[in-house]
Amino acid sequence: KAGVTQTPRYLIKTRGQQVTLSCSPISGHRSVSWYQQTPGQGLQFLFEYFSETQRNKGNFPGRFSGRQFSNSRSEMNVSTLELGDSALYLCASSLRQAYNEQFFGPGTRLTVL
Amino acid sequence: DAKTTQPPSMDCAEGRAANLPCNHSTISGNEYVYWYRQIHSQGPQYIIHGLKNNETNEMASLIITEDRKSSTLILPHATLRDTAVYYCIGNNAGNMLTFGGGTRLMVKP
Repeated sequence: KAGVTQTPRYLIKTRGQQVTLSCSPISGHRSVSWYQQTPGQGLQFLFEYFSETQRNKGNFPGRFSGRQFSNSRSEMNVSTLELGDSALYLCASSLRQAYNEQFFGPGTRLTVL
Repeated sequence: DAKTTQPPSMDCAEGRAANLPCNHSTISGNEYVYWYRQIHSQGPQYIIHGLKNNETNEMASLIITEDRKSSTLILPHATLRDTAVYYCIGNNAGNMLTFGGGTRLMVKP
């Protein structure tokens, strides 16, 4: 079975731009969660989607948003990028909602200049 | 979620058992203890989880004290590829994993 895939793997943007990251979960997994990892704050939960609906949300500003499609693939969007948004963005999938055995992708490394 | 405390770093000799401790004195009765690890430049990897009983799988063993205030992750024969940051998480909220600082395990030849 293929693992969680994330595209692109690396991205460079400038302040004020917006960015869209993509995540394809493991086949059959219906829950997708997103995390941000920075050296200063560590791994922080962004949001979780299940059946195309956001089920949980972390403490991030509204510039961070996401969606899930009917095939469980998910995208997250960050608008009006700030320098502090530079991070590794990780996507994780699991079989069902509220199930903590999660499978993480390799992440997208976003650099904001 | 239960607050967990782990030593920031540990060393282990290759081939020996690595015992990683975690304190979770505020864990509630329905919170599981999860362990993940993150090898450099990769996404976290699920290792094992448990509620009350000790658990074992192909990767590791999890020993939870009877009062559930602490646990130990055991890698029975550590290899260089086990060098990683290990996270202990107490959670029942579902998919809102709260990662702390973890323990940086260095396996040395």
